[in-house]
Amino acid sequence: AQKITQTQPGMFVQEKEAVTLDCTYDTSDPSYGLFWYKQPSSGEMIFLIYQGSYDQQNATEGRYSLNFQKARKSANLVISASQLGDSAMYFCAMRENGGSTLGRLYFGRGTQLTVWP
Amino acid sequence: DAGITQSPRHKVTETGTPVTLRCHQTENHRYMYWYRQDPGHGLRLIHYSYGVKDTDKGEVSDGYSVSRSKTEDFLLTLESATSSQTSVYFCAISPGTSGRETQYFGPGTRLLVL
Repeated sequence: AQKITQTQPGMFVQEKEAVTLDCTYDTSDPSYGLFWYKQPSSGEMIFLIYQGSYDQQNATEGRYSLNFQKARKSANLVISASQLGDSAMYFCAMRENGGSTLGRLYFGRGTQLTVWP
Repeated sequence: DAGITQSPRHKVTETGTPVTLRCHQTENHRYMYWYRQDPGHGLRLIHYSYGVKDTDKGEVSDGYSVSRSKTEDFLLTLESATSSQTSVYFCAISPGTSGRETQYFGPGTRLLVL
């Protein structure tokens, strides 16, 4: 079974609108971390936001927020006020803190976001 | 900027030749990782290191070896490159002492095996 599932291969949003990128995860480890990375066409992997499994509040970083629903095992990324520069591939990832591979990240297959004017 | 560089950034090689990719960091972080990125697979862990001379296998380690003789350098070697190893290779570091902190990635190396 996949650890991270991103069901949206592609998403489109108009500039200045908000968009939600979906991510569900699968783990039996009670302690884990969830991450979102952005990969623009230039290829680098840029860390956006982190949510710990015991964090009580949803993480926010500027225009990025993580909608963490633990019971549903979902960790959706919300981008508010989209900008043309937000066009990129977005990856959800998870780290199981009890895992034997220290710090290993499991990645989803990504969602290609296109922002149009 | 996590101070991570990768070299070379692009490489074309032939099947059967050895290839070494280098990851260099300037912050003396203990934990370093090598991932490969392929269409439809996201990133997958090849090998990781938790200190000088301390390395272990990841999910897709067959055909790869690593070495870490200095804190700042983590080398990935393809002993005999195959076309299935055509990929983009990312190095990552994890600051802190547990390996459970956020990972930051280098710029990547594009490898084409003909």
